[in-house]
Amino acid sequence: DAKTTQPNSMESNEEEPVHLPCNHSTISGTDYIHWYRQLPSQGPEYVIHGLTSNVNNRMASLAIAEDRKSSTLILHRATLRDAAVYYCILREFNAGNMLTFGGGTRLMVKP
Amino acid sequence: DTGVSQDPRHKITKRGQNVTFRCDPISEHNRLYWYRQTLGQGPEFLTYFQNEAQLEKSRLLSDRFSAERPKGSFSTLEIQRTEQGDSAMYLCASSLVAEQETQYFGPGTRLLVL
Repeated sequence: DAKTTQPNSMESNEEEPVHLPCNHSTISGTDYIHWYRQLPSQGPEYVIHGLTSNVNNRMASLAIAEDRKSSTLILHRATLRDAAVYYCILREFNAGNMLTFGGGTRLMVKP
Repeated sequence: DTGVSQDPRHKITKRGQNVTFRCDPISEHNRLYWYRQTLGQGPEFLTYFQNEAQLEKSRLLSDRFSAERPKGSFSTLEIQRTEQGDSAMYLCASSLVAEQETQYFGPGTRLLVL
């Protein structure tokens, strides 16, 4: 699987937007970009995924660079409940198998 | 609550003992995954099932580990002759077969081997 690189940690103030970056310079043309997050003492949960175009859902937005070598997860208004480890994961098209997690970014949200 | 449940939530055992964990997936999900997570690391894939068939196993899954999914419903993960290095969170996830399916994770079973 292609590798992703994320900052170890980031801080944000409550109710401000947060941009979580992910580099994936070796991404292949058929790799989807997935984001999961893991709240303290819980299993990971799905956030969003995309291939080429930017994506929005009720939790977040995903901005994908034109060359697809990087992406950014955007939380529009961080809340204390968004404090978690955020994982950026590449998955091959039609990959019916595992998620390969890296170290992720620990997001701390200050009141 | 994702609908995936795991039992027990916590397990303390002595080195050399056998332990078994259970995962109940979301009822209509045909894929079931096991992952292991140690402190400060992301989860690592162990194995997965599609219905009752075990389709892939990680090299992390030594011969002391065995997983089953009889009748394609719940799954069990057994660790024989536990070692201190087996101490970790064991996570189960389930999904429906789809092009880029979402995996739904349970809360995990935290194992401590003394």
